[in-house]
Amino acid sequence: KQEVTQIPAALSVPEGENLVLNCSFTDSAIYNLQWFRQDPGKGLTSLLLIQSSQREQTSGRLNASLDKSSGRSTLYIAASQPGDSATYLCAVLGSWGKLQFGAGTQVVVTP
Amino acid sequence: GAVVSQHPSWVICKSGTSVKIECRSLDFQATTMFWYRQFPKQSLMLMATSNEGSKATYEQGVEKDKFLINHASLTLSTLTVTSAHPEDSSFYICSARDGKGSNEQFFGPGTRLTVL
Repeated sequence: KQEVTQIPAALSVPEGENLVLNCSFTDSAIYNLQWFRQDPGKGLTSLLLIQSSQREQTSGRLNASLDKSSGRSTLYIAASQPGDSATYLCAVLGSWGKLQFGAGTQVVVTP
Repeated sequence: GAVVSQHPSWVICKSGTSVKIECRSLDFQATTMFWYRQFPKQSLMLMATSNEGSKATYEQGVEKDKFLINHASLTLSTLTVTSAHPEDSSFYICSARDGKGSNEQFFGPGTRLTVL
């Protein structure tokens, strides 16, 4: 059974610092890995999707890497801003066709 | 593109009543839709997978008679919470996958259900 773990569970940084969020998964047989942002009481906003054949994806200040063999992904957010405060979820799509989510990392960026 | 809507965005109901939540893909045809449930401070848990024109597949521990799912068209899936109780209060989120071979899911904004 696939298990997805996100560390740390919570993170607080001053504005301007870089953020590093980690995601690990136990079964490397995945189709893709996706990073989402969720604001309190809201739905999910897709940030980056990395296909299993890819090593990384970039969008603006965001960069996500994927090491399928070791079962790890890292989301980097450069030069954090207070508007980056949210919960970040990673999810893996397995061969069973279902997304398995991690518990999330709650991020607070202080001005 | 790839927009998914949910209606209502929030609903409050009395215990024992039934509530229907709609999930629509606005600009694409979704052969498969998924229903998730999220409790406060927790992650999303898949409840069921809904394929157009066929019965939904429920995850272990999810009561299919309590959470009725209908995927009658390629753009609409509905989740009906029957005889709702306070413990059913949660945030329900749907997602949709298009029929073009992509494996990406597009998520709706969620529905907050509160059962009094």
